[in-house]
Amino acid sequence: EIVMTQSPATLSVSPGERATLSCRASQSVSSNLAWYQQKPGQAPRLLIYGASTRATGIPARFSGSGSGTEFTLTISSLQSEDFAVYYCQQYNNWPPSITFGQGTRLEIK
Amino acid sequence: QVQLVQSGAEVKKPGASVKVSCKASGYTFTSYYMHWVRQAPGQGLEWMGIINPSGGSTSYAQKFQGRVTMTRDTSTSTVYMELSSLRSEDTAVYYCARDGEAYSSRGTGDYWGQGTLVTVSS
Repeated sequence: EIVMTQSPATLSVSPGERATLSCRASQSVSSNLAWYQQKPGQAPRLLIYGASTRATGIPARFSGSGSGTEFTLTISSLQSEDFAVYYCQQYNNWPPSITFGQGTRLEIK
Repeated sequence: QVQLVQSGAEVKKPGASVKVSCKASGYTFTSYYMHWVRQAPGQGLEWMGIINPSGGSTSYAQKFQGRVTMTRDTSTSTVYMELSSLRSEDTAVYYCARDGEAYSSRGTGDYWGQGTLVTVSS
């Protein structure tokens, strides 16, 4: 099983500043990497897939990069609604092997 | 608009089974695979498996092999996830999530149900 490790566990950033979240895979996942945002009491929301493609309706301040084993989610100018938990997820082809990172909590500084 | 509406909360005793439903609307049901993901209280996300609503084929995470069964009813555009031999560690919110790519599986959940809390307690 591919293990996904996110860092840091908690990130404190001021509104308007940039946030950079990291995700590392235990082996190469090519560009089969997605990012989700989850707020308390809500279902996850897909932000990025294919490592760098924004999902429908996702603001341009969210961007993803990386390939292989190292990935980054950048939020260029934090808005109040961006404070949440973020998960990375890797996915393989059929049969699927899907695993999530443990999450990064983005909190207001 | 795409909507996934899940069944209500359940309380089960250890050793019992639970069956959670997910009714889809707003798109062609048989064109998109459906994932099931769970989240224990205060914990992260855990993928359980996937079903192709068109033919009914499934693939389960190894951890749940032998305990989980995913089915679908095309007449009502509903997918089901049944988990058996429940234990306290199965207490979680269970989500269905529609895959992002038609006629195949990209592996991502683009639309999610509201979640169903399953509590396992004696």
